[in-house]
Amino acid sequence: SQQGEEDPQALSIQEGENATMNCSYKTSINNLQWYRQNSGRGLVHLILIRSNEREKHSGRLRVTLDTSKKSSSLLITASRAADTASYFCATGDTGRRALTFGSGTRLQVQP
Amino acid sequence: EAGVTQSPTHLIKTRGQQATLRCSPISGHTSVYWYQQALGLGLQFLLWYDEGEERNRGNFPPRFSGRQFPNYSSELNVNALELEDSALYLCASSPPFNPDTQYFGPGTRLTVL
Repeated sequence: SQQGEEDPQALSIQEGENATMNCSYKTSINNLQWYRQNSGRGLVHLILIRSNEREKHSGRLRVTLDTSKKSSSLLITASRAADTASYFCATGDTGRRALTFGSGTRLQVQP
Repeated sequence: EAGVTQSPTHLIKTRGQQATLRCSPISGHTSVYWYQQALGLGLQFLLWYDEGEERNRGNFPPRFSGRQFPNYSSELNVNALELEDSALYLCASSPPFNPDTQYFGPGTRLTVL
């Protein structure tokens, strides 16, 4: 079953603009991760944020986590056509190791 | 460093047959995970193997099974295939020192006719 929902389901922007995707989840978590998937292929790990962290950066990516609202956001700054992909959040439980994925956001970056 | 590899890339079977999917983890990774990505159902956790043992199982029937070999590679077997088993099957691995991050392979596309 899906842990939560991602919002929006689809997003279309112009190259150079910022893209923001949101993820909500239902249960307590140890960590939350964001993955990218290009055209139905494998997942690429982007960033992991632990439950005791509020914000994390990696290159053009910024992730926030609000455990009181059970939500996270992924911001991609200065987007490029190559960022076109589906983005998934996944919540993790260190003990059980089963990642629970959201429904994903399809991002289209127009050149 | 080579990533997670999976074979075959595509697999076509008919209902009732058995499918075997293979996965080689990143060198040094001891845990292997299997996920199913079916149309309309999203990504769902199937199995976790570590040190040759099944450690956790998702909500799938027993005809989904697998094993992990001494070199940490893994097989996923799906018996008595049904049409709804058609999906992208993703394998992931994680290292013992950082088990929370899972690194995924390119997947095997299974089509059941």
